[in-house]
Amino acid sequence: GAGVSQSPSNKVTEKGKDVELRCDPISGHTALYWYRQRLGQGLEFLIYFQGNSAPDKSGLPSDRFSAERTGESVSTLTIQRTQQEDSAVYLCASSPVPEYEQYFGPGTRLTVT
Amino acid sequence: ILNVEQSPQSLHVQEGDSTNFTCSFPSSNFYALHWYRWETAKSPEALFVMTLNGDEKKKGRISATLNTKEGYSYLYIKGSQPEDSATYLCASYQAGTALIFGKGTTLSVSS
Repeated sequence: GAGVSQSPSNKVTEKGKDVELRCDPISGHTALYWYRQRLGQGLEFLIYFQGNSAPDKSGLPSDRFSAERTGESVSTLTIQRTQQEDSAVYLCASSPVPEYEQYFGPGTRLTVT
Repeated sequence: ILNVEQSPQSLHVQEGDSTNFTCSFPSSNFYALHWYRWETAKSPEALFVMTLNGDEKKKGRISATLNTKEGYSYLYIKGSQPEDSATYLCASYQAGTALIFGKGTTLSVSS
């Protein structure tokens, strides 16, 4: 069946521009997570959506980062006024319920020049 | 603050060696412990999800154990192969929180 998809797969942007990353989770999965991996670093939690509950935004590094999710479907991660330190692979994952295994998308590689 | 710790940070073994890694997590409000395998240039893939104290899970040459009372899990790889080279992540789920990942153990297996 269809897995988690993310778009774009690669994004190169100039410093100061806004970018929007998209995640399509597996249908029926109530939990959705955004992570990022900067070069040479581990997996960094950004934000977590669970059903209709208020999202857990505790991992967002600054107020330039925001994310939305429409119901239990698509999520978008927006980075405003991008900085070079935002360059990373942004991963989205979903799971049927929070305690179950997460299914990761292929990621979006963001490069800020 | 919830903290998931993994050790060692990295490990280099020879083909055929058996090895194990440790994951420690908060034992209070524990709900589930996940192990993921993360190969370079790929996305993490789940190996095991364990919930009960004393759980043991096995997939081929890889197995894991869980001790929820003392807050640790071990991942074992028997007879390591070069294709086992990857970063192994553990993650703890406490009810009502996001899944918390450790920084991982990076395994390198040389032939």
